[in-house]
Amino acid sequence: TQLLEQSPQFLSIQEGENLTVYCNSSSVFSSLQWYRQEPGEGPVLLVTVVTGGEVKKLKRLTFQFGDARKDSSLHITAAQPGDTGLYLCAGHFGGGTSYGKLTFGQGTILTVHP
Amino acid sequence: DTAVSQTPKYLVTQMGNDKSIKCEQNLGHDTMYWYKQDSKKFLKIMFSYNNKELIINETVPNRFSPKSPDKAHLNLHINSLELGDSAVYFCASSHGGYVTEAFFGQGTRLTVV
Repeated sequence: TQLLEQSPQFLSIQEGENLTVYCNSSSVFSSLQWYRQEPGEGPVLLVTVVTGGEVKKLKRLTFQFGDARKDSSLHITAAQPGDTGLYLCAGHFGGGTSYGKLTFGQGTILTVHP
Repeated sequence: DTAVSQTPKYLVTQMGNDKSIKCEQNLGHDTMYWYKQDSKKFLKIMFSYNNKELIINETVPNRFSPKSPDKAHLNLHINSLELGDSAVYFCASSHGGYVTEAFFGQGTRLTVV
């Protein structure tokens, strides 16, 4: 069974601070996504990373994929109250019967206080 | 235009009842999924259909039966509901494959009393 360890589980910070969320696995991902979920809504895709060492930026969000494709991080610069939400990493481990199957991390609940 | 829509959004029912949740997507995707999110926000896949064919069936009780009448629809029927079935159920769709980007519905909050 492939597992995704996501940390921290909770993050409460002040507006303007920086933060990093981590996602780790003992298995190699064929691809990894980061999603954001707001209360009462479904997760919404933020980014997909596929290549080891890849870095993608989305405004104040920076996503990194580890060289070995076993870990990823999400860094938010100068967090704003609008960043508040549940952040989820989700990986695809590739091969055979795992076609289309995403394995999710436990999620990080981020609260940014004004 | 809603991309992935599921109904109902809320469902409150008694133990032992049978209920269904419906899902439709207008994205032209060939793969649809049911995910369950528990009270700790953990999201776990239950089923996946590709072109109306069941391709992923995780360890889910037989009381849960998905049905895909066509590529754009995936319904979930639950028999003999139990308290532990209370959760938020999400429908999702994607183009499938090994670089999967899923689009989720708004979820159905099921409460079994």
